[in-house]
Amino acid sequence: AQSVTQLDSQVPVFEEAPVELRCNYSSSVSVYLFWYVQYPNQGLQLLLKYLSGSTLVKGINGFEAEFNKSQTSFHLRKPSVHISDTAEYFCAVSALTGANNLFFGTGTRLTVIP
Amino acid sequence: DGGITQSPKYLFRKEGQNVTLSCEQNLNHDAMYWYRQDPGQGLRLIYYSQIVNDFQKGDIAEGYSVSREKKESFPLTVTSAQKNPTAFYLCASSDARGARETQYFGPGTRLLVL
Repeated sequence: AQSVTQLDSQVPVFEEAPVELRCNYSSSVSVYLFWYVQYPNQGLQLLLKYLSGSTLVKGINGFEAEFNKSQTSFHLRKPSVHISDTAEYFCAVSALTGANNLFFGTGTRLTVIP
Repeated sequence: DGGITQSPKYLFRKEGQNVTLSCEQNLNHDAMYWYRQDPGQGLRLIYYSQIVNDFQKGDIAEGYSVSREKKESFPLTVTSAQKNPTAFYLCASSDARGARETQYFGPGTRLLVL
């Protein structure tokens, strides 16, 4: 089975500052990796995903993430955040083989301070 | 516009009552999913369906039931057997049932117990 750990439940950051949201995963098989964003009282929207190839993945809204297989991490970064980035961010994994279900972390609430 | 609609936005359940949450998609997706989201937790899979007239249990199916009579519709019934139904319910769909596929989410239904 797969599992995802998002160690930071809340991350406050000032507007225009950089941010990193951490994600570590555990799996006995190869995985695909995803970051989703959820704005208040809304569904989730895909930010980016890693399937194969380059370990640096660029997504929407200026976000990027780097897959590190040796550290089993997929941290999300943005060099300069905006007020509109305030939301909850979920890391998720799915196994390349087997049931192919998405396993989500518990989420990180990013609050951008003016 | 293509997308996923969920209704109602808020739903109230009385003790011993069954309630049904609606999920409709016009994306022509084969696969559909139901997730439950509780505060401070990630999303947990309730049921999923790869094709019309077929569905499988997810991690927390007890107390829930689904049907998939049409490709565009995947209603979820929360039965009286579900003793702690208060949560945010999210429906999703994807083009195919595969680990690499992006799941597209609806806006959610918040279920509250009276």
